Amino acid sequence: DAGVTQSPTHLIKTRGQHVTLRCSPISGHKSVSWYQQVLGQGPQFIFQYYEKEERGRGNFPDRFSARQFPNYSSELNVNALLLGDSALYLCASSLGGHPSYEQYFGPGTRLTVT
Amino acid sequence: GEDVEQSLFLSVREGDSSVINCTYTDSSSTYLYWYKQEPGAGLQLLTYIFSNMDMKQDQRLTVLLNKKDKHLSLRIADTQTGDSAIYFCAETNNQGGKLIFGQGTELSVKP
Repeated sequence: DAGVTQSPTHLIKTRGQHVTLRCSPISGHKSVSWYQQVLGQGPQFIFQYYEKEERGRGNFPDRFSARQFPNYSSELNVNALLLGDSALYLCASSLGGHPSYEQYFGPGTRLTVT
Repeated sequence: GEDVEQSLFLSVREGDSSVINCTYTDSSSTYLYWYKQEPGAGLQLLTYIFSNMDMKQDQRLTVLLNKKDKHLSLRIADTQTGDSAIYFCAETNNQGGKLIFGQGTELSVKP
């Protein structure tokens, strides 16, 4: 079975632009979470979606938004990019929203803002 | 508040045991996890422990939890060069699927 897939792999954007990152969960998984990992640090929670509804939100500005589609794939959108948004963006999927369900991470999208 | 702390580096010789330590502050933590990240890759879940347990063993991995001191450790027996990676400790308290990660411990295994 395919694992969690993310696209694109790498992305370079300019300050002020907008970006959309995509995630496809493992087949059968209904929950998707997004994390931001700045170089040298641990991942920071951004959002969790379960059954197309937002179930959790981390301490990120409103420039960050996300949604989950009927097929459980997800998009993360970031508006008005700042240099500090440069990071590895990780998507994780799980069967359900409860923490007893293992979260499987994708390889990430490396975003560079210049 | 929610905070997870780890030492940044650990170096061991191949065949030795490695012990990676983690402390956390959230007294309502329910699950605690260990993830492995290799260069350029995502996170791989190694093991997890429920907060009412104090030990879990899985092949070469042993997790010890001291809930009173909010201290978690991961012991890797017979460490191999392929174990070289960054290891993250993470915890959750059931709030909206949020995992709180430490900064990661870079494990270097020398032949």
